[in-house]
Amino acid sequence: AQSVTQLGSHVSVSEGALVLLRCNYSSSVPPYLFWYVQYPNQGLQLLLKYTSAATLVKGINGFEAEFKKSETSFHLTKPSAHMSDAAEYFCAVSEVDSSYKLIFGSGTRLLVRP
Amino acid sequence: DAGITQSPRHKVTETGTPVTLRCHQTENHRYMYWYRQDPGHGLRLIHYSYGVKDTDKGEVSDGYSVSRSKTEDFLLTLESATSSQTSVYFCAISEGSEAFFGQGTRLTVV
Repeated sequence: AQSVTQLGSHVSVSEGALVLLRCNYSSSVPPYLFWYVQYPNQGLQLLLKYTSAATLVKGINGFEAEFKKSETSFHLTKPSAHMSDAAEYFCAVSEVDSSYKLIFGSGTRLLVRP
Repeated sequence: DAGITQSPRHKVTETGTPVTLRCHQTENHRYMYWYRQDPGHGLRLIHYSYGVKDTDKGEVSDGYSVSRSKTEDFLLTLESATSSQTSVYFCAISEGSEAFFGQGTRLTVV
């Protein structure tokens, strides 16, 4: 079964600093990969997705992620953090079967210091 | 926003009582999913559906059942609620390359 590992349950950065949230997956076949963001008391919103096209994926709100097959990684970055980026971020992988089930990492809460 | 409505949004129930959560979509998507969200675990799949009357178990299906009699509705039932089922429940819909999530139902079992 596939699994997703997110390093760091909490990440704290200063406003304007680089944001780096780490995600590694276990799969011998490149899957679909996703980053979702969750604001307090809300559902999940898709930030970006990788579906075997370009390895550098750009998403909403200035976020991007790079698919690295050799490292089985899909880390999320943003050059300059904004206070509004404070939220919980989830990396997910889609099963490589016909169900399109998502397997989620445990999440990383991003704190942005003024 | 994708047309997904979860009801109720909040519920408090007693141990041993049955509970049904409803997910309604207006997007005509084939796939529907129920996840639960717990601190430190992310979201875990309970059950999913790939068509009317077609459902299958997910990672944490014990104590839960589902039904899908219409494309637009996917029901999650806790036959006899336990305190371990206190959680936030999310419904999601998909046509393959992207899943859309509802706003969640916060369930407390006392």
